[in-house]
Amino acid sequence: ELKVEQNPLFLSMQEGKNYTIYCNYSTTSDRLYWYRQDPGKSLESLFVLLSNGAVKQEGRLMASLDTKARLSTLHITAAVHDLSATYFCAVVVRGSNYKLTFGKGTLLTVNP
Amino acid sequence: SQTIHQWPATLVQPVGSPLSLECTVEGTSNPNLYWYRQAAGRGLQLLFYSVGIGQISSEVPQNLSASRPQDRQFILSSKKLLLSDSGFYLCAWSGDLQETQYFGPGTRLLVL
Repeated sequence: ELKVEQNPLFLSMQEGKNYTIYCNYSTTSDRLYWYRQDPGKSLESLFVLLSNGAVKQEGRLMASLDTKARLSTLHITAAVHDLSATYFCAVVVRGSNYKLTFGKGTLLTVNP
Repeated sequence: SQTIHQWPATLVQPVGSPLSLECTVEGTSNPNLYWYRQAAGRGLQLLFYSVGIGQISSEVPQNLSASRPQDRQFILSSKKLLLSDSGFYLCAWSGDLQETQYFGPGTRLLVL
């Protein structure tokens, strides 16, 4: 059974600082997604990573994928308050009919 | 552009009552459709997915069922709700099984 683990689960950081969220998964994957969820809201797609070494960047967020290590990272650069949200990674297992398995999410709070 | 709608937005139901949640997608044809549940403080769990009219795959055995009576309509139902059915129900669509899933605004269900 595929397991997807995110850490940390809770992250409180100051504006202007950098930090990284990690997503580990237990079996070979075809692709990996990062989503953002604001409190009480739905999920917003951020990135899809398709191959080993893939790197995607949008604003202050950068996601990368290492399929050999079964690890994805979401790096936050010079955090701002607007980035406060819960971030989920989701993994698709090969041969699973592209079923998404989600991590538990990382609740990020950026303080002034 | 494509949009996804869910209703109702919020629902409070007594234990043992029936349930019907609706999801519709606009701006695309033959989408793949998904139902997820997010319990408080937890990640997302895939409940059902559908690749076409009348085609439903169940991921988790439970007292819920899904139907797809029209191409862009996906319905989640229950004959008798349990307390454990409380949660945030999210519908999602993708243009292909390999593509990013896009989520609707969600329905918050509280079973008392």
